[in-house]
Amino acid sequence: LAKTTQPISMDSYEGQEVNITCSHNNIATNDYITWYQQFPSQGPRFIIQGYKTKVTNEVASLFIPADRKSSTLSLPRVSLSDTAVYYCLVGEGPGQTGANNLFFGTGTRLTVIP
Amino acid sequence: DADVTQTPRNRITKTGKRIMLECSQTKGHDRMYWYRQDPGLGLRLIYYSFDVKDINKGEISDGYSVSRQAQAKFSLSLESAIPNQTALYFCATSEGNQETQYFGPGTRLLVL
Repeated sequence: LAKTTQPISMDSYEGQEVNITCSHNNIATNDYITWYQQFPSQGPRFIIQGYKTKVTNEVASLFIPADRKSSTLSLPRVSLSDTAVYYCLVGEGPGQTGANNLFFGTGTRLTVIP
Repeated sequence: DADVTQTPRNRITKTGKRIMLECSQTKGHDRMYWYRQDPGLGLRLIYYSFDVKDINKGEISDGYSVSRQAQAKFSLSLESAIPNQTALYFCATSEGNQETQYFGPGTRLLVL
């Protein structure tokens, strides 16, 4: 089971780009990397998923180096509404039967400051 | 209407009581999950089900049981509640293992 390590918390000012790095040294060949966002008293919400190199959607970018032992979630120009906890998960790819992607760590608490 | 619903949203109960938390989904997903969240500990998996006839223990299943009554329904039971089961409980669904998980609004449980 690929465990992940993230910073416990981060602060950023509004309008800045925020990069949250996740370490996953034991990532397996079939593992994907998925990030979720959670607001207080709400369930987590999917942000982005990737396997290698770079993935970008309307919310964020995900950078994965060639060795895949880490990944970086990039949030461009954060606003106060981006204050949340961000979770990095690593697990088997689509179609697999295991449940290795079902373990959330403690996440990174991002606080955006006015 | 929400795709994943949980009832009740809040519950206060006493030690030793049996309690059931219910989860329903309209997404047509085969996979359903129950998590608990405690302050500072993130989410921990209690049980998960890949289809109606499948039940699997997660990271912290002791003291809990589940029932998958139908594709759309997955219930979590505390047979004899204890105070350290006070937590926020989330149900989630997904179409496949690495597919996006969709979470319900959560049930806040207080065991006195």
